[in-house]
Amino acid sequence: KAGVTQTPRYLIKTRGQQVTLSCSPISGHRSVSWYQQTPGQGLQFLFEYFSETQRNKGNFPGRFSGRQFSNSRSEMNVSTLELGDSALYLCASSYGLLSYEQYFGPGTRLTVT
Amino acid sequence: SQQGEEDPQALSIQEGENATMNCSYKTSINNLQWYRQNSGRGLVHLILIRSNEREKHSGRLRVTLDTSKKSSSLLITASRAADTASYFCATDAQGGSEKLVFGKGTKLTVNP
Repeated sequence: KAGVTQTPRYLIKTRGQQVTLSCSPISGHRSVSWYQQTPGQGLQFLFEYFSETQRNKGNFPGRFSGRQFSNSRSEMNVSTLELGDSALYLCASSYGLLSYEQYFGPGTRLTVT
Repeated sequence: SQQGEEDPQALSIQEGENATMNCSYKTSINNLQWYRQNSGRGLVHLILIRSNEREKHSGRLRVTLDTSKKSSSLLITASRAADTASYFCATDAQGGSEKLVFGKGTKLTVNP
């Protein structure tokens, strides 16, 4: 079974721009979660989608948004990028809401200059 | 918000030795999980232990959970150079809005 894929793997953007990251979950998984990882704050939960609905949301500003499509693929968008948004963005999928074991993708490394 | 705190932050051992990492958390949980991350890559799920379990084994991994002390430990026996990675504990905060809350991790280096 193919794992979680994330595109692009690396991205360089300028302050003020916006960015869209994509995540394709493992086939059959309906829950997709996003995490931000930085050296200072560690791994922080952004949001979770299940059946195209946002189920949980972490403590991030409204500039961070996401969505899930009917095929369970998910995108996250960050508008008006700030230097502090530079991070590794990880997507994880799981079978369902009660399945806590998460399968992570390789991440997208975003650098904001 | 960080619920789990791993200890130590960094650990360096020789191949063949055992490695023990600890995790403490603050609120009641349903499950506690351990993940491994090789440098700058995605996380790999290692083991999940439920709040009503005290110990769990998987290959060379042994996890214990003490809900009265709100702590868990991960033991890797007969470590190998390939075990070099960062190890994170993650909890699902009961009543919280976050799916998983991760600690800051223990960076393990196994020297050949």
